[in-house]
Amino acid sequence: DAGVIQSPRHEVTEMGQEVTLRCKPISGHDYLFWYRQTMMRGLELLIYFNNNVPIDDSGMPEDRFSAKMPNASFSTLKIQPSEPRDSAVYFCASRTQQELGGYTFGSGTRLTVV
Amino acid sequence: QKEVEQDPGPLSVPEGAIVSLNCTYSNSAFQYFMWYRQYSRKGPELLMYTYSSGNKEDGRFTAQVDKSSKYISLFIRDSQPSDSATYLCAMSANSNYQLIWGAGTKLIIKP
Repeated sequence: DAGVIQSPRHEVTEMGQEVTLRCKPISGHDYLFWYRQTMMRGLELLIYFNNNVPIDDSGMPEDRFSAKMPNASFSTLKIQPSEPRDSAVYFCASRTQQELGGYTFGSGTRLTVV
Repeated sequence: QKEVEQDPGPLSVPEGAIVSLNCTYSNSAFQYFMWYRQYSRKGPELLMYTYSSGNKEDGRFTAQVDKSSKYISLFIRDSQPSDSATYLCAMSANSNYQLIWGAGTKLIIKP
């Protein structure tokens, strides 16, 4: 398996633009997580899905953020409109129902909003 | 007060030294404890996973949990420059409870 695949690896965009981050989880994994990582705040859980259904989106900063999982092999995180304070590394991770601690992370998308 | 406290470092030690990394936590319901390693510009990867109290050993790595003190440790023996990374602790109360992460400790092993 190729692991969790995220795209793009880097994204530089202007304030106010829409940004879409993409994630392909590991086949057979029931859970998908979107995290944001910054030096100041560390790893923050934004939202997670179980069997494609959003379970907890309480970590989504505000209405500018939205996430979807239309099928078991694809998820998107969208920011519209983007702001400089959204600059961070965004990680997608997946795991099975049984392996509580066995998260597999993607390589992340480094987002810079100027 | 954060639920999980971890010294961000950096911690710099010479090659071959024994490294001790630690986290403290406040929620006595935590039962599942993990250590992840994160190299620069990569995602975290699972290093050690323990349930409840006790020790677990895997090669040069030993994870230790002391629930009475709400304290977990990761020991690295014979440290190598390739061990230089950020080490994050994470923990959870049960399978339906999400992971709570430490801030991560940056470790530097000097050749």
